[in-house]
Amino acid sequence: QSALTQPRSVSGSPGQSVTISCTGTSSDVGGYNYVSWYQQHPGKAPKLMIYDVSKRPSGVPDRFSGSKSGNTASLTISGLQAEDEADYYCYSYAGTYTLVFGGGTKVTVL
Amino acid sequence: VQVVESGGGLVTPGGSLRLSCAASGFTFSDYYMSWIRQAPGKGLELVSYISSSGTTIYYADSVKGRFTISRDNAKNSLYLQMNSLRAEDTAVYYCARILYFPNWFDPWGQGTLVTVSS
Repeated sequence: QSALTQPRSVSGSPGQSVTISCTGTSSDVGGYNYVSWYQQHPGKAPKLMIYDVSKRPSGVPDRFSGSKSGNTASLTISGLQAEDEADYYCYSYAGTYTLVFGGGTKVTVL
Repeated sequence: VQVVESGGGLVTPGGSLRLSCAASGFTFSDYYMSWIRQAPGKGLELVSYISSSGTTIYYADSVKGRFTISRDNAKNSLYLQMNSLRAEDTAVYYCARILYFPNWFDPWGQGTLVTVSS
């Protein structure tokens, strides 16, 4: 099972919006609503930011939102802040007990 | 709700290491658990997961036949026995709970570093 495809990096100025894509196939992202997103600051453990495509856990700012269209899921950060600079990973169920992560995207706040 | 890994360290190629993950704050026996690793400068790779009862186990192809996942629900603990270690196994190993399998991973531990080098 190949990793889901994410852009290596995205960037934006404070206050702007950035969107990270996560492209899979009809066997994973397109076939299930089991998509989640994780934020990882350098040297830290990943943190759950979005689950079930678009749901936010308690404590995650509402400037983080998730969506899905076909085989591509997206994470949008609105009103970008300095502390949002981190690596972001998507995840999807891929059927037959297979779980797969994306390759990761580095978000830079200019 | 937290998980805490331990057992990482420096090991020579071909050697063995056993990682442990201590869970607290939730009913451990109700959840699937997983090991996920991250090689230096690389992304996340699911290594293995185990069902709540231990009857369903998955291994990534890269570790199949060399690593063994297990759990002790009485001790709220998850384990990863790693044998025949290779340089490419060098990574930070994270323990993470899987909620409403296979929906999402939360929480994650702080990770334990495994370095395979001569």
